[in-house]
Amino acid sequence: GQSLEQPSEVTAVEGAIVQINCTYQTSGFYGLSWYQQHDGGAPTFLSYNALDGLEETGRFSSFLSRSDSYGYLLLQELQMKDSASYFCAVPTGGFKTIFGAGTRLFVKA
Amino acid sequence: DGGITQSPKYLFRKEGQNVTLSCEQNLNHDAMYWYRQDPGQGLRLIYYSQIVNDFQKGDIAEGYSVSREKKESFPLTVTSAQKNPTAFYLCASSTRNTIYFGEGSWLTVV
Repeated sequence: GQSLEQPSEVTAVEGAIVQINCTYQTSGFYGLSWYQQHDGGAPTFLSYNALDGLEETGRFSSFLSRSDSYGYLLLQELQMKDSASYFCAVPTGGFKTIFGAGTRLFVKA
Repeated sequence: DGGITQSPKYLFRKEGQNVTLSCEQNLNHDAMYWYRQDPGQGLRLIYYSQIVNDFQKGDIAEGYSVSREKKESFPLTVTSAQKNPTAFYLCASSTRNTIYFGEGSWLTVV
């Protein structure tokens, strides 16, 4: 089967760095995406990794290791507004994408 | 601005009724999707469409129906056969690697 696993909750303090991990098991792999969703809102795209390595976009970075079927989202200089749910996702080809169950990030003052 | 518009934002359905959620996009994307999200849960795929007049069932299609008569529009009907329809419904469209979501519709059965 196809599945993605990520922690259900992570808590960190404002200004800190937090890493949200994602392991995947899919038949066919095209890349790993990350989405952010605030309570009651729509998910928004954060990043996409097709190749191994680290991609940096401002305070957020995303990493992929295809050999380990593993990736992570790194959030630096945490702000209160970063409190949200974060989903990893894998496009499976044919325009279909599978999402993980999401990691709820709580940022404390 | 380009985007995805869903309506209504909030909808109440009586037992036994069918309801239709609207989704319109002006991003010129071929692929469109409907996801269901229950509180504190991830996104589950209901239906998706890669092209006009064609659509495929996702993981939880039972009790739902869709149509794709125009590229811009992908309405979802929640039928009376869906026994537990109370949820947050998200319409989306995509490029190859990025999914763009609408603001969602909250459906509650009363």
